[in-house]
Amino acid sequence: QVQLVQSGAEVKKPGASVKVSCKASGYTFSGYYIQWVRQAPGQGLEWMGWIKADTGKTNYAQKFQGRVTMTRDTSTSTASMELSSLTYDDTAVYYCARDVLPGGDSGVFDYWGQGTVVTVSS
Amino acid sequence: EMLMTQSPATLSVSPGERATLSCRASQSIGSNLAWYQQKPGQAPRLLIYGASTRATGIPARFSGGGSGTEFTLTISSLQSEDFAVYYCQHYNNWPYTFGQGTKLEIK
Repeated sequence: QVQLVQSGAEVKKPGASVKVSCKASGYTFSGYYIQWVRQAPGQGLEWMGWIKADTGKTNYAQKFQGRVTMTRDTSTSTASMELSSLTYDDTAVYYCARDVLPGGDSGVFDYWGQGTVVTVSS
Repeated sequence: EMLMTQSPATLSVSPGERATLSCRASQSIGSNLAWYQQKPGQAPRLLIYGASTRATGIPARFSGGGSGTEFTLTISSLQSEDFAVYYCQHYNNWPYTFGQGTKLEIK
C-alpha cells in the first residue's frame, strides 16, 4: 500500500532553516511528482510547490521562491523540503502528498503524509 | 492568483440528512476542481477530482458537480464519520489554491 512517512516535529528559532523529509513506499517513487502543502494553525491549506521525483525538476509557488528548496533521493525514495529564513508565520503543519497522475503534475493529491509540525519560536 | 470561496463556513446537519457545500472560483477553471475531507489531527483525504469523479474507495454518497466558477459537493444521507472540514481546490494553473473550508457539524 502507498505510504508517505514524514519526519518528526521541529522547533526552530526565527531566521533559521528547517528540513522536512518524506519517505515513500508501496509504489515506484520515481514515477510520480511529490507536492508540498502547509497548514497554519486553525487555517486552510496552502500549496508550496512540487518536485518531479525522477529528474528532480522543481516548481515553487511564487510566495516561497528564494526560501524553499525541494530535493529528492531516489536511492531511499525520499523527498525533502527545506524552508529558510523562518518567521513566526511559518509555524504550520507541513504535508507531502503524491500527485495522482503517473509522471505528471495534475495538481490532484491522492496520498498524503501524516504531516510534520514546524514551530517557529524564540 | 485564483481565489476559491467556500460557503457556508459552518453547516449543521443531522445524521441521515443531505448536505450541500458550495465552492466558487474567482475565474473559470473548467472542471479542474478537487474536494478534500479533513478530520482533526489528520491529513486531508481526496474525495473528488475533475469536479465530479470520485477518488478510489470513496462512497457513492459523495457526489460533486459544477463547472466554470460554481461547484458543489453533496453528501447524501450523512454518516457519523462524514462530520469534518471540507476543502475545495483548483488545479487549473499555478499556484494551486484551496478554499478556506466548510466545517460540517452535527446538528
